[in-house]
Amino acid sequence: NAGVTQTPKFQVLKTGQSMTLQCAQDMNHEYMSWYRQDPGMGLRLIHYSVGAGITDQGEVPNGYNVSRSTTEDFPLRLLSAAPSQTSVYFCASRKRQEGQPQHFGDGTRLSIL
Amino acid sequence: AQSVTQPDIHITVSEGASLELRCNYSYGATPYLFWYVQSPGQGLQLLLKYFSGDTLVQGIKGFEAEFKRSQSSFNLRKPSVHWSDAAEYFCACLSSNTGKLIFGQGTTLQVKP
Repeated sequence: NAGVTQTPKFQVLKTGQSMTLQCAQDMNHEYMSWYRQDPGMGLRLIHYSVGAGITDQGEVPNGYNVSRSTTEDFPLRLLSAAPSQTSVYFCASRKRQEGQPQHFGDGTRLSIL
Repeated sequence: AQSVTQPDIHITVSEGASLELRCNYSYGATPYLFWYVQSPGQGLQLLLKYFSGDTLVQGIKGFEAEFKRSQSSFNLRKPSVHWSDAAEYFCACLSSNTGKLIFGQGTTLQVKP
């Protein structure tokens, strides 16, 4: 049982490049989320999904796309990377029952030059 | 709107001293509240959670937290801090309506020998 797995762990991009951050969970969790973590701002919700085929925007969705074709996977796409997207990105998942805690991946550290 | 505030950005305590990290929330209904810890370069680990019932909850690593509805607070405590407790601590509130988890800005704990 690997939990929440994020790849890659580190990535450097040039402005304007696109890329996909991968997230997979093997706990059969219905809910999955993407957060970005910036100094002094805690974790901010980018996008989330309550099940396969269903996604919704969080606090800071601009510049990011998501899809949820399976229960296990929830990739985050940067369409045209900008320096403001330099951050640490965390994927999380949880069961749908009320109050269930989030399980977090180890994060992807992304730098945009 | 739902929000979480951690008033202290940085706290330094001596090893063996007691610790209290503050958390205030703003939420219309009874919240689901969590404390997470993040060591450098790592993901977030759940310390404890409050759903309902007993307002004093026990967590891992000797931590506890007390829910005080009248003060809209959920402060984290530990009677005797160990050097390994140095990390960043996040308070979070889960909305039962949307399933979104909202984080505070985080408190960095430094432990002096």
